[in-house]
Amino acid sequence: DQQVKQNSPSLSVQEGRISILNCDYTNSMFDYFLWYKKYPAEGPTFLISISSIKDKNEDGRFTVFLNKSAKHLSLHIVPSQPGDSAVYFCAASAKGFGNEKLTFGTGTRLTIIP
Amino acid sequence: GAVVSQHPSRVICKSGTSVKIECRSLDFQATTMFWYRQFPKQSLMLMATSNEGSKATYEQGVEKDKFLINHASLTLSTLTVTSAHPEDSSFYICSVQGRLNTEAFFGQGTRLTVV
Repeated sequence: DQQVKQNSPSLSVQEGRISILNCDYTNSMFDYFLWYKKYPAEGPTFLISISSIKDKNEDGRFTVFLNKSAKHLSLHIVPSQPGDSAVYFCAASAKGFGNEKLTFGTGTRLTIIP
Repeated sequence: GAVVSQHPSRVICKSGTSVKIECRSLDFQATTMFWYRQFPKQSLMLMATSNEGSKATYEQGVEKDKFLINHASLTLSTLTVTSAHPEDSSFYICSVQGRLNTEAFFGQGTRLTVV
């Protein structure tokens, strides 16, 4: 039972354009969401997070949008740069319910085309 | 953010042997660490939650006798894959919850290959 889903396994975007990565979840107890970036043979690195009390969080080129009614979140990267090429995972937890465990999506491989 | 060091980064072992993977929190004391496994082209799957000074909590389907976890200090958790088999070949990653209990910080991961 995949509670966090990233339906696009891969995405290619021209350098300088906007990259939009999508994530859907099914567990209504999830109240904290995170995006991680992962290079091959390395551990994931944290990018940005959002609490369910917000619908948007921005940090530099990265913006995460949360639509609670649709149980959907997205990560926008603008402008996209070649160094952004990596696998992106969204993750969710039920922090407000005392459950810090992260449930990860299957990842989306983003390729930025120079 | 927290600095998490995982060792070794890569290990090849013979079938039937045991392998120990270390996860260290270098800059703060971590009462809880998490162990994940990732198979190729799949998601990170939580294996167990490592609690300092007490038994680890394993996820459903993870054999606690095969994946031994020891969290003997606030800065070190170890995962031992006992009697390893080729199907245990995977990428193992540990994580530490940040001080503010927000994002988790991950080690570099360990690529285990059992031949």
